[in-house]
Amino acid sequence: DVKVTQSSRYLVKRTGEKVFLECVQDMDHENMFWYRQDPGLGLRLIYFSYDVKMKEKGDIPEGYSVSREKKERFSLILESASTNQTSMYLCASSLLGDRTNTEAFFGQGTRLTVV
Amino acid sequence: AQSVTQPDIHITVSEGASLELRCNYSYGATPYLFWYVQSPGQGLQLLLKYFSGDTLVQGIKGFEAEFKRSQSSFNLRKPSVHWSDAAEYFCAVGKGAGGTSYGKLTFGQGTILTVHP
Repeated sequence: DVKVTQSSRYLVKRTGEKVFLECVQDMDHENMFWYRQDPGLGLRLIYFSYDVKMKEKGDIPEGYSVSREKKERFSLILESASTNQTSMYLCASSLLGDRTNTEAFFGQGTRLTVV
Repeated sequence: AQSVTQPDIHITVSEGASLELRCNYSYGATPYLFWYVQSPGQGLQLLLKYFSGDTLVQGIKGFEAEFKRSQSSFNLRKPSVHWSDAAEYFCAVGKGAGGTSYGKLTFGQGTILTVHP
């Protein structure tokens, strides 16, 4: 069974802290994504990686960075957490290939609260 | 830029009734279109997808969707809703301009489905 695992389901951090959200996939997928989910806004793409050490900005990259040192792991970093980054964060992965393989598989999500 | 609109934020139906969730997209080329479902506290699960060919697509859990290019729509339907279908539903459009773009999705705002017994 395909699996995308996010290291934490719930996280509470203080304003100004550096926060790491970790995601691991076991499907040997090339593509990995970080989305942010907010009520009434759906999911918005923060960052995208199509290979180790490769990354592209999504629609809302401000205040975030990412790291992909190994194919199976993709980390989202909040350099200095702020209260407006309180949200649900979803990691996803997909194959790099023809478009029939573009199904994205999602993790369970990390609900981050910044106080 | 591509965009997706789900006009209905919240829909309530009775168990056994039919269901249609609306999705309109804006995209300059042939889109790939997806419907995902999110149960409370869970990640997203793919219900169905459209890339090309037959415009009526069958998915899991008895769902289907119809791609209508002239209306820029990809509405999700189910003939008879079950209480377990209560969830949030997301329509999404995917880019396909090149290998590294595959899999990047733009999501709609979501539609919350409530099912009354």
